Amino acid sequence: NAGVTQTPKFQVLKTGQSMTLQCAQDMNHEYMSWYRQDPGMGLRLIHYSVGAGITDQGEVPNGYNVSRSTTEDFPLRLLSAAPSQTSVYFCASSYSESLGQLETQYFGPGTRLLVL
Amino acid sequence: AQKITQTQPGMFVQEKEAVTLDCTYDTSDPSYGLFWYKQPSSGEMIFLIYQGSYDQQNATEGRYSLNFQKARKSANLVISASQLGDSAMYFCAMRESHNDMRFGAGTRLTVKP
Repeated sequence: NAGVTQTPKFQVLKTGQSMTLQCAQDMNHEYMSWYRQDPGMGLRLIHYSVGAGITDQGEVPNGYNVSRSTTEDFPLRLLSAAPSQTSVYFCASSYSESLGQLETQYFGPGTRLLVL
Repeated sequence: AQKITQTQPGMFVQEKEAVTLDCTYDTSDPSYGLFWYKQPSSGEMIFLIYQGSYDQQNATEGRYSLNFQKARKSANLVISASQLGDSAMYFCAMRESHNDMRFGAGTRLTVKP
């Protein structure tokens, strides 16, 4: 298993540009989520999905869109990038949103995004 | 609302000694899970240990143990016999039933030779 994969690893955007961060998992996990990590602030939840066709907002959803057409993929879209979106983005997945050891979230390697 | 507090921005420990990283949480849900992750300088998030709110015993995973004090709402991570490779950021996280995982701000641990 490849686990959780993310592409690209690094990206530089100009203000106003759009792009999609890709996330895929091959563990047949129902639950997938996107976080951003800023210095001194830990990880904050952007959007999450409890299964194909179902998405919901997290703590900091503004400026981001998501979709979940398949169990494996959960792309994050920036429609009009802003410097405030400069951050490290992590995708994560777990078997379900329920509690328990199996529901530990496993993280992708992250995408470093710089918006100029 | 969930809240996770890690009061130690940075910690130092001598190699081969034990170290405790603090974590307190706030929840009114009787059912929740507590997690610790390690983030080395390479940036990936590595799952270390899990404690369920109904677990009777403290969780242990190799050199990692979780000192779970439910009444005090604390879930401190204890690393025994520290190694140089333990130098990293450590994040405490909590997940309530049917809810998202929320993270603390992290503690940077430096192991000195």
